[in-house]
Amino acid sequence: EAAVTQSPRSKVAVTGGKVTLSCHQTNNHDYMYWYRQDTGHGLRLIHYSYVADSTEKGDIPDGYKASRPSQENFSLILELASLSQTAVYFCASSDTRDAETLYFGSGTRLTVL
Amino acid sequence: GDSVTQMQGQVTLSEDDFLFINCTYSTTWYPTLFWYVQYPGEGPQLLLKVTTANNKGISRGFEATYDKRTTSFHLQKASVQESDSAVYYCVLGIYQGGRALIFGTGTTVSVSP
Repeated sequence: EAAVTQSPRSKVAVTGGKVTLSCHQTNNHDYMYWYRQDTGHGLRLIHYSYVADSTEKGDIPDGYKASRPSQENFSLILELASLSQTAVYFCASSDTRDAETLYFGSGTRLTVL
Repeated sequence: GDSVTQMQGQVTLSEDDFLFINCTYSTTWYPTLFWYVQYPGEGPQLLLKVTTANNKGISRGFEATYDKRTTSFHLQKASVQESDSAVYYCVLGIYQGGRALIFGTGTTVSVSP
């Protein structure tokens, strides 16, 4: 049973449009993360959160916002989608006692046209 | 700055071949080193963890060793199977207020029967 669920699994968006990617975890983990995966770059951290109602910037936050309304839910928001944001996005969670073991969702493939 | 480098982008093998993937890292922190594996259509998952204390980790037939002198970290398996086809990420773990993981660019391993 998947403990980190991302929705949608894939999405096509138009340039300049707003996109919201959602993540829900049932691991009871405090830490949650959004990563972006591109060929040749591996996974890069966009935003992360240690607790509900608080988010932190990762390594590549420009053009992205994050929202953590509850322990279980973490969203990634692209207010003005651009072509360069075409990528696969992964959400992950981890426990405070073992923060480096990440549990990933299956990813959202975003195509911006 | 802190970084991790995987030079091998793609490795092609036949079943029962020996697998060896190398990775180098740079950090001023005491590192923990990980290998994450991503099977097709899934998110990455932890395969192995190696700390500076133990220098070696073993899981699911894979072995990872770490050399502090050369700041290198490699993954090996004596006899691969088709089911080992996946992307393998070398990951550097450092403590920066909890934001701890730096992913390499990944090595795609393709095993033919």
